Amino acid sequence: GQSLEQPSEVTAVEGAIVQINCTYQTSGFYGLSWYQQHDGGAPTFLSYNGLDGLEETGRFSSFLSRSDSYGYLLLQELQMKDSASYFCAVRARMDSSYKLIFGSGTRLLVRP
Amino acid sequence: DAGVTQSPTHLIKTRGQHVTLRCSPISGHKSVSWYQQVLGQGPQFIFQYYEKEERGRGNFPDRFSARQFPNYSSELNVNALLLGDSALYLCASTSEFTGSYGYTFGSGTRLTVV
Repeated sequence: GQSLEQPSEVTAVEGAIVQINCTYQTSGFYGLSWYQQHDGGAPTFLSYNGLDGLEETGRFSSFLSRSDSYGYLLLQELQMKDSASYFCAVRARMDSSYKLIFGSGTRLLVRP
Repeated sequence: DAGVTQSPTHLIKTRGQHVTLRCSPISGHKSVSWYQQVLGQGPQFIFQYYEKEERGRGNFPDRFSARQFPNYSSELNVNALLLGDSALYLCASTSEFTGSYGYTFGSGTRLTVV
């Protein structure tokens, strides 16, 4: 089957660093993506790892280890506006289609 | 350029009714995918369309159907609505079939079945 696991909730203080982990078990793996979703909003693309290693985009970094079926999203210099749900999503090929398989999401609460 | 646009934004339907949701992808994007997001969960894949052909289908009943038009816009249809169909329906477009350049999501249609 296809499964992704990530913590349900994380709380951190403004200005701090937080890491959200994701482990996956999927077939047809092509890469790991991270999306941010504010309440009532659309998922917004943050980062993508197709190969092992670290990708950095401003305050956000993402890491992938394909051999460990593991990745994480690192958020630095947390701001109040970072309070949102964060989803890891595997980009997978299934039969004749490509799709994103999402985890259940991690709700991040940033406190002053 | 406009992003992915979906209509309507909100919809209330009665059990047993039929609903049509619409999506316009980013200009130049030829692939449209539909996802269902139940409250508190991650989005679940329903369909992928590319060049007006269905290329993939998730684990959803035949009550769910979709199509893509020559201008690459898309419709999602759901027949015989059930209470459990209440969810946020998201449309995502990609510039090419594999999605390797990323998915852009619309803001979704919030469907409530009563």
